[in-house]
Amino acid sequence: DVKVTQSSRYLVKRTGEKVFLECVQDMDHENMFWYRQDPGLGLRLIYFSYDVKMKEKGDIPEGYSVSREKKERFSLILESASTNQTSMYLCASSLAHIYTEAFFGQGTRLTVV
Amino acid sequence: DQQVKQNSPSLSVQEGRISILNCDYTNSMFDYFLWYKKYPAEGPTFLISISSIKDKNEDGRFTVFLNKSAKHLSLHIVPSQPGDSAVYFCAAIYGGATNKLIFGTGTLLAVQP
Repeated sequence: DVKVTQSSRYLVKRTGEKVFLECVQDMDHENMFWYRQDPGLGLRLIYFSYDVKMKEKGDIPEGYSVSREKKERFSLILESASTNQTSMYLCASSLAHIYTEAFFGQGTRLTVV
Repeated sequence: DQQVKQNSPSLSVQEGRISILNCDYTNSMFDYFLWYKKYPAEGPTFLISISSIKDKNEDGRFTVFLNKSAKHLSLHIVPSQPGDSAVYFCAAIYGGATNKLIFGTGTLLAVQP
């Protein structure tokens, strides 16, 4: 059974803190994604990685960075958390080179106070 | 600029009737389209997909139609069931090796018993 696991379901952080969101997949997928979901705005792509150490900015990368040191793990980093980064964060993975679906983790609800 | 748009934020349908969810896109480089379903506090789950070389794909109660000239796709659910109540996202993949996945804003479907 395929699995994408996000390290936390719920997080509460203070403004200015450095925040790490971790995602692990066990499907040997090349692609990994970080999205955030906000009411009325859908799923917006923050960053995308198509291989180890390779990354590409999505639509809203400002205030975020990512790390992919191993194929199975993709981390999203909020360098200095702000209240407008309060959101649902979703990680996904997929195969490259063929058209197929992406698999999602259960999501992390981050609240920045 | 939103490349994948779902212009109806919500839709209410009676149980047993047809639900039709619509999606428009602007980028002619999209090669593959997908629909996802999302319940609150969970990650999206894949429903059905269609390649740009087809105009219809069917899977049980779910059918996706693609009109490339109009840059429009739709998801039909027949018959609708209360358990179908969720947010539905359409998504598109750019042609190429890496399969970058872009989502729309979502439509909240409510199926009334």
